Amino acid sequence: AQSVTQPDIHITVSEGASLELRCNYSYGATPYLFWYVQSPGQGLQLLLKYFSGDTLVQGIKGFEAEFKRSQSSFNLRKPSVHWSDAAEYFCAGEEITGGGNKLTFGTGTQLKVEL
Amino acid sequence: GAVVSQHPSRVICKSGTSVKIECRSLDFQATTMFWYRQFPKQSLMLMATSNEGSKATYEQGVEKDKFLINHASLTLSTLTVTSAHPEDSSFYICSARGSYNSPLHFGNGTRLTVT
Repeated sequence: AQSVTQPDIHITVSEGASLELRCNYSYGATPYLFWYVQSPGQGLQLLLKYFSGDTLVQGIKGFEAEFKRSQSSFNLRKPSVHWSDAAEYFCAGEEITGGGNKLTFGTGTQLKVEL
Repeated sequence: GAVVSQHPSRVICKSGTSVKIECRSLDFQATTMFWYRQFPKQSLMLMATSNEGSKATYEQGVEKDKFLINHASLTLSTLTVTSAHPEDSSFYICSARGSYNSPLHFGNGTRLTVT
């Protein structure tokens, strides 16, 4: 079955430091891949998405992610973290099937930013 | 950009009553809407997929008679939690997409508390 795995439940970084959030996927074919951010008590905001083409994807708020087929990974990165980036981050995969697209979320990574 | 409005943001109800949550796409026609449930500090679990004008498709383990979903128009889907119980207390999030491969847009969620 398709799945998305986020190995890190919590990550703490200092403001200004670089950030990498890990995401691995397991699908029969290359899925569409997404990163979302969720602030407490809020819905999800799309940071970036990968459908095909260039494996390095630029998103909003200075985030980027790199699709690596050989590693089945789609890690999220940011060169310099800001305190406002503290939130929950979800990686998600979507596979087109005859029954329609279905988005599967990872378990999320809680990011804390130390000032 | 595309906006999905979810209402109410918070609701408290007594055990045994029913609660309706609305999900509206404000500036696009949503051919498909999805309903998710999120427990504290956990990921989003897909409950059901609804296509305008047809019956919703429920995920395994989700009681269709308890979680009634209606997608009567291209801009509105509703989730009704019938005969709510304390264990139904959760954060419910809807999402919507326009065309088949367009990105999902999420509502801000509804915090349901059943007393």
